[in-house]
Amino acid sequence: QLQLQESGPGLVRPSETLSLTCTVSGGSISSSGYYWGWIRQPPGKGLEWIGTIYYSGSTYYNPSLKSRVTISVDTSKNQFSLQLTSVTAADTAVFYCARHVSYSGARHLDYWGQGTLVTVSS
Amino acid sequence: QPVLTQSSSASASLGSSVKLTCTLSSWHSSYIIAWHQQQPGKAPRYLMKLESSGSYNKGSGVPDRFSGSSSGADRYLTISNLQSEDEADYYCETWDSNIWVFGGGTKLTVL
Repeated sequence: QLQLQESGPGLVRPSETLSLTCTVSGGSISSSGYYWGWIRQPPGKGLEWIGTIYYSGSTYYNPSLKSRVTISVDTSKNQFSLQLTSVTAADTAVFYCARHVSYSGARHLDYWGQGTLVTVSS
Repeated sequence: QPVLTQSSSASASLGSSVKLTCTLSSWHSSYIIAWHQQQPGKAPRYLMKLESSGSYNKGSGVPDRFSGSSSGADRYLTISNLQSEDEADYYCETWDSNIWVFGGGTKLTVL
């Protein structure tokens, strides 16, 4: 059974960089046909896609966040990571890591981590 | 990029059926979507992939009470024999040119 687990600081100061890691277990992050993504959800609001990475390192970002986001992968640790720079209170959210499938035109998310709340506050 | 439109809320009685709608922007009316369920205080859970033909593939462990269908730009999630645990937020998702988008979500209340 595939599992994804987010980890990182729960509190980040304004203007600093938010860094999270997702550890994948029960499957290889290097498996072909799967991509790995980050999604966030501000308190009481809906889901927002942040970005996605393939094990080869190819990345895709939400245009509205692209200037502040970097996603990387470490296949040796079966992990992928998110960095979001210059954070403000508006970046306070639950952050989820998730897996995308990729086959026959389908590219949807099919497994989600449990999520981690990151608060931006001084 | 595609836009997904969902009603903000819906309600139905215990044991009845409810049909939730996700509408694709007109230029993207043939697109595949996915439905996800988010119970209160929990992470989202993948329910199914749904094609424009109405063909759907459910995730592992998703009860038979959940089904999908399509008509034009509309994608539907039908939940039969509603249970209390079906009270949740439901989101649709789609993608285009390596950009992913979500609908605003529908909050389902089971009466």
